[in-house]
Formats: sequence, C-alpha cells, structure tokens
Amino acid sequence: GAGVSQSPSNKVTEKGKDVELRCDPISGHTALYWYRQSLGQGLEFLIYFQGNSAPDKSGLPSDRFSAERTGGSVSTLTIQRTQQEDSAVYLCASCRGGSGANVLTFGAGSRLTVL
Amino acid sequence: ELKVEQNPLFLSMQEGKNYTIYCNYSTTSDRLYWYRQDPGKSLESLFVLLSNGAVKQEGRLMASLDTKARLSTLHITAAVHDLSATYFCAVDNNNDMRFGAGTRLTVKP
Repeated sequence: GAGVSQSPSNKVTEKGKDVELRCDPISGHTALYWYRQSLGQGLEFLIYFQGNSAPDKSGLPSDRFSAERTGGSVSTLTIQRTQQEDSAVYLCASCRGGSGANVLTFGAGSRLTVL
Repeated sequence: ELKVEQNPLFLSMQEGKNYTIYCNYSTTSDRLYWYRQDPGKSLESLFVLLSNGAVKQEGRLMASLDTKARLSTLHITAAVHDLSATYFCAVDNNNDMRFGAGTRLTVKP
C-alpha cells in the first residue's frame, strides 16, 4: 500500500483480556518497528524486525507482550492479560532498511484503552 | 543500550524568537533523524542527517549533526505559531532506531 496501515485504530478492552494489533507496512520495506507512546510521553521502543533476521525484542516490557512478522510483511503485536498500564498508542513504522538513510514511515497508531 | 536525550522537554516561545533544541546520544552513529508530531497525529519526517557536519534547513528550522560530540541540534529562527508541535530526534545504530523523549514546543503570539 501507499502507507503504513494499522488496525484497529481504537481498541477498548477489559483488564485481563488479550488484544492483537496489526501493522501492514509499506511494500518492499524490510524493516518494521513497534513503539509505544503513552499520553504526552515519548516513544518507547518495543521490537524491531529486519528481513529474515531474528527480531530485536529487547524493548518488550514483559512476557505478556509478543510480536511476529509473517512472510516479511504484516506484523501482529499481541498483548496477553492486559493491564491498565498497557493503555497507550501503539505505533508501527517501516523503512527500507540497509546502510543508507532509513527514514521511518509511521502508521496512524492503535490507541489501546484497558479498563 | 543506545540512549537518546533531548532537552528541553518543554519549550514555550514567543513568536519571532530564536531557540535551539538539543539531542545527545550515547553511541557512535552518523545517522540521525528529526521528526515532528502534531497533537493527535503520528510522526512525520523533517530532516535526515547522514554524516558529521551535516546541516539541513527547511524554512525556519535548521538541523545539524556533530558525530564527534554525539550531538544534534534543531534551531528555530523567528518562531511562528505553526511550528507548535512535538519534535523528536531519532538515532540510527545499524537500524536500531531509538527516539528521544521529545520536545513539546508551544509558540505564543
């Protein structure tokens, strides 16, 4: 597609439920990133995928968080047993990857509210 | 782990004034990016800095990179209200992309 698509745009869930957030990057972009942005805060790195390499999961805050990227394209971020502190906007971004300029194109984000 | 620090975190300016936002980072890198985020929106790319001494300018904004000092600056000249937004720097360490906390800029008449 022309841009990075994220769904759902808004998700309200009850504490303890599982949620899945989807990211469809720009076609041909080998690198895909997930960040979390709490209200009025900066971007917290969660996970990074580059091609077929093992993802960098160093930013995932707990084992309730996981992500996968199927076929080098669409990515899903899963949060199990959601907690209120998980409420935030989850941003996905992609870029070509490689040694040149890697300008990230961001999706519009998925706003998660855990009640 | 790569650390990126921005300051100030909050900046209130009057129209017509000049100011500089600073971005320090903890590891060697010669690729740094500046992004802008408007309230309720996602981030948009402003500048790409790919070497020591790189300088880019767009309108009233100018960004520079000093890789030896591990420092980038975003200079605002004669601020106008339309520049009110949050500005983020991001450091690229072999595609490991880490962001600063952001500088929330408010330009007042």
